[in-house]
Amino acid sequence: DAGVTQSPTHLIKTRGQQVTLRCSPISGHKSVSWYQQVLGQGPQFIFQYYEKEERGRGNFPDRFSARQFPNYSSELNVNALLLGDSALYLCASSLAEAGTEAFFGQGTRLTVV
Amino acid sequence: QKEVEQNSGPLSVPEGAIASLNCTYSDRGSQSFFWYRQYSGKSPELIMSIYSNGDKEDGRFTAQLNKASQYVSLLIRDSQPSDSATYLCAVVDSNYQLIWGAGTKLIIKP
Repeated sequence: DAGVTQSPTHLIKTRGQQVTLRCSPISGHKSVSWYQQVLGQGPQFIFQYYEKEERGRGNFPDRFSARQFPNYSSELNVNALLLGDSALYLCASSLAEAGTEAFFGQGTRLTVV
Repeated sequence: QKEVEQNSGPLSVPEGAIASLNCTYSDRGSQSFFWYRQYSGKSPELIMSIYSNGDKEDGRFTAQLNKASQYVSLLIRDSQPSDSATYLCAVVDSNYQLIWGAGTKLIIKP
């Protein structure tokens, strides 16, 4: 069975640009969450989607947005990139909305220059 | 501000010994608790989940939960060099949000 897949794996962008990251959850999982992880810190929650609806939003600026499609895949968009947006972006899928185990994709390493 | 606290380490343990990793959380209404292992540059990998007080064993790993003390731990028996990684504690709080600790770096010395 395929696990969580994310694309691209690595990305280099210039300040001010926009980026779209993609995630396909495990088959049968309806919940997708996005996290940002910088070196030496735990993952920071950005968004959670369940059944195509936003169920949670972390403390991130409006430059960050996301959506979930009918097939439960998801996209994270970041506008007006800043140097501080450089991080590992993680997507996690879960069977249910809350409280269940989350499984991560390999992540997207975003570097903003 | 709901928090999950872990000692950042590094925690250095001889090969073959028991590694003990600890985590405390602030939200008394938390119900689900997870341990993830993360190798450098990789994504977190789920290794244990625990939902009720007591011990849960899976191979060389044992998770321990004490809700009264708001404390969850992970024991790794017969530690191997391949266990060297950062171990992240994650807790589902009373608002059903997954709150993460910053992780403990574990080093197993051959």
